[in-house]
Amino acid sequence: GAGVSQSPSNKVTEKGKDVELRCDPISGHTALYWYRQRLGQGLEFLIYFQGNSAPDKSGLPSDRFSAERTGESVSTLTIQRTQQEDSAVYLCASSLDLRSYNEQFFGPGTRLTVL
Amino acid sequence: DQQVKQNSPSLSVQEGRISILNCDYTNSMFDYFLWYKKYPAEGPTFLISISSIKDKNEDGRFTVFLNKSAKHLSLHIVPSQPGDSAVYFCAASGSNTGKLIFGQGTTLQVKP
Repeated sequence: GAGVSQSPSNKVTEKGKDVELRCDPISGHTALYWYRQRLGQGLEFLIYFQGNSAPDKSGLPSDRFSAERTGESVSTLTIQRTQQEDSAVYLCASSLDLRSYNEQFFGPGTRLTVL
Repeated sequence: DQQVKQNSPSLSVQEGRISILNCDYTNSMFDYFLWYKKYPAEGPTFLISISSIKDKNEDGRFTVFLNKSAKHLSLHIVPSQPGDSAVYFCAASGSNTGKLIFGQGTTLQVKP
């Protein structure tokens, strides 16, 4: 598999439950990004990783959101005590490094629905 | 505070004609601009980009123009093809974090 993969592809959960979203970046890509897209809106930046480090967490919408990356590979985005406004498509992307001219390759996304 | 704006939610053009998608930005610190294309149920795919030191970049049928004084960029597709029908996102980046700020997207429909 040469591309970015994400799991699950769809997640339906009840308000108040915790969810964990997974991203497998392209092998060798040191930079990893999380975005979300609410219905009818553009992509909203959440957080980026350089290696396993996340220097800027200011894009996370609230303290219910957290993310980690291990082994400069897999990343997980965790949303605690989900709310209905968390419903969105969560997209992960990876690139060779943080330099702007390096193309970001996106995964297909995880569609999260909070009932 | 929407730093990148695409004011046209949709655009419809005839096959073979030119498609022009527009994007405005407010942050003068942005130094790299990109266009992404997105089909339903797929992640966005990179289309074309331009550095702030240039005013035009061309790749086949796709050309991006940058007007820094107006803080405006546009994507021209010539000739348009039905397979170009998708949502197009404008994005901007600065300070080499790789963090992309996206516009709301424009849905392009190319009619056969």
